[in-house]
Amino acid sequence: GENVEQHPSTLSVQEGDSAVIKCTYSDSASNYFPWYKQELGKRPQLIIDIRSNVGEKKDQRIAVTLNKTAKHFSLHITETQPEDSAVYFCAASMTGSQGNLIFGKGTKLSVKP
Amino acid sequence: DAGVIQSPRHEVTEMGQEVTLRCKPISGHNSLFWYRQTMMRGLELLIYFNNNVPIDDSGMPEDRFSAKMPNASFSTLKIQPSEPRDSAVYFCASRRTGAFYEQYFGPGTRLTVT
Repeated sequence: GENVEQHPSTLSVQEGDSAVIKCTYSDSASNYFPWYKQELGKRPQLIIDIRSNVGEKKDQRIAVTLNKTAKHFSLHITETQPEDSAVYFCAASMTGSQGNLIFGKGTKLSVKP
Repeated sequence: DAGVIQSPRHEVTEMGQEVTLRCKPISGHNSLFWYRQTMMRGLELLIYFNNNVPIDDSGMPEDRFSAKMPNASFSTLKIQPSEPRDSAVYFCASRRTGAFYEQYFGPGTRLTVT
């Protein structure tokens, strides 16, 4: 089955700097890669996703890149702000009615003012 | 749209007691997922349903755990008997059938077993 590895487990940056979180997946059949943000005590919420027919997707200060050959994808946050502090989870799944998400272990991002 | 609804939000119980967690998915969503989150193990998928039918329960840790979905608007996760190591936050999530649809999480139930 699918296995998703996520690095780093913790990341601390200064406000205004960029943050990058990387994930690798094992099943080449996976074709959907969402990223979830979970603030302390809250539920995970989708912030951006990418499908395997696209190499990069951007939404304001966040972007995701996908390298299908290497089976890895990354989340990029530019101009970080204190409110970006949270745990970020990557996930992978396959299309079809049984496409359940396999999550990475999460990255705790701290943005210091 | 009220989102995914879970109850109770917090549950404290003694070891050996039965615990029942409840979930109401978003109307029109055909897939429902139960997750457990702990610091040590992260976010684990326990079981998921498509059109009320359990598809994969390989994540259910032991026979003490069981889940049902009697209709499209209600699901339960039961732990009997509960143990201290079951203490975690349990999330329910739902989405429309099809992997490209966003999966929406409920607020979670924080379970503490003493």
